[in-house]
Amino acid sequence: EVQLLESGGALVPPGGSLRLSCAASGFSFSNFGMNWVRQAPGKGLEWVSALSGSGTSIYYGDSVRGRFTISRDNSKNTLYLQMNSLTVEDTALYYCAKGPYGSGIFPLDDWGQGTPVTVSS
Amino acid sequence: EIVLTQSPDFQSASPKEEVTITCRASQYIGTSLHWYQQKPHQSPKLLIKFASQSFSGVPSRFSGSGSGTDFTLTIKSLEAEDSATYFCHQSSNLQGTFGQGTKVEIK
Repeated sequence: EVQLLESGGALVPPGGSLRLSCAASGFSFSNFGMNWVRQAPGKGLEWVSALSGSGTSIYYGDSVRGRFTISRDNSKNTLYLQMNSLTVEDTALYYCAKGPYGSGIFPLDDWGQGTPVTVSS
Repeated sequence: EIVLTQSPDFQSASPKEEVTITCRASQYIGTSLHWYQQKPHQSPKLLIKFASQSFSGVPSRFSGSGSGTDFTLTIKSLEAEDSATYFCHQSSNLQGTFGQGTKVEIK
């Protein structure tokens, strides 16, 4: 059974930094693209970033490019999201989501439960 | 940026009715369109991939169609457990934008 367990969400002041983690199990992690998707309170879904299984192909949404960095450690079956220069607009529940086998990153066929990030002074 | 516009934003229907949700892309995306269901306080779940391919384990009453810029998610014979918000999602340009969501309520 695929399991994705996010952690690292917290309350952080504007301008601060945070690193999210997603521990994966139940599948061959290094063979699958992985994504971060966020959902602001009461709002829709916003794709944030994606990383191919090998880690060589990286993609970012326009609203986070230059501030967020996605990475993965295939030896630990863990996906990361380093978030810098946070603003109140980054407040959301952050989901880790698994992509398809191989070089692709979409669609998202398994999702974690999310970790909440609140940016506030 | 490819913008996805769903309609309607909200739909109320009775059990056993057929529900249709549309998703229009601001430019051509072929069949790179996926549908997700999100129930309250739950994570989204993949229903349909690449416009019309049913994802494993999804009930057969859910189906998808369309290509190019216009897509449809159909729920035949609505059931109480289908009360949820439905999102379309495009993957044509590797930016992964989502539609704004359609909330389906059971009367």
